[in-house]
Amino acid sequence: QVQLQESGPRLVKPTDTLSLTCSVSGDSITNYYWSWIRQPPGKGLEWIGDVYHNGLTNHNPSLESRLTMSIDTSKSQFSLTLNSLTAADTAIYYCAKVRGSGRGGALDYWGRGALITVSS
Amino acid sequence: DIQMTQSPPSLSASVGDRVAIRCRASQNVMKFLNWYQLKAGKAPKLLIYAASKLQSGVPSRFSGSGSETEFTLTINNLQPEDFATYYCQQSFSALWTFGQGTRVEIK
Repeated sequence: QVQLQESGPRLVKPTDTLSLTCSVSGDSITNYYWSWIRQPPGKGLEWIGDVYHNGLTNHNPSLESRLTMSIDTSKSQFSLTLNSLTAADTAIYYCAKVRGSGRGGALDYWGRGALITVSS
Repeated sequence: DIQMTQSPPSLSASVGDRVAIRCRASQNVMKFLNWYQLKAGKAPKLLIYAASKLQSGVPSRFSGSGSETEFTLTINNLQPEDFATYYCQQSFSALWTFGQGTRVEIK
């Protein structure tokens, strides 16, 4: 059973940079794509992007200019960095494993999510 | 972007009922359509992938159907643990998008 756990600061200031890490256990991180998704309070889900073990990434174009994703296979972790934060970035951030990849993929294991609040 | 529209936004049902949630895509996504269940404080759960394939471990009362632009998630014999919010998601395009969710509440 794959397990994922998000970690990082829960309160960040406007204009600052958010850094989140997802720790993976139960399967090798090198076999799959790994994804980030977020859900603003009271709103629906938004796919942020995904990363492969070789560092290949796919981004949501709406976030691409502020977003960096990376992976550390030695630690079984992957990370998200989002800069120039505004209140609109307040959301529950989830990490997830991708079943398949690209067209036809699905998010088959998720973390419980981390509520990140952007406020001064 | 491919827009995903779910209906209804919410519904009230009783234990034992059969419920259907619809998802419409703004363009043809073939069968690249997935369904998820979300509950507050819990890890979201994949229920159905590729429009109609049941994810391992998911009860058989959940089923999915449809193709191209029209999809349905059906829950037969609704159980107390099924009261949650359900989302569809397309993986046809490089930019994956979700529906706005359908909240299933206890009547």
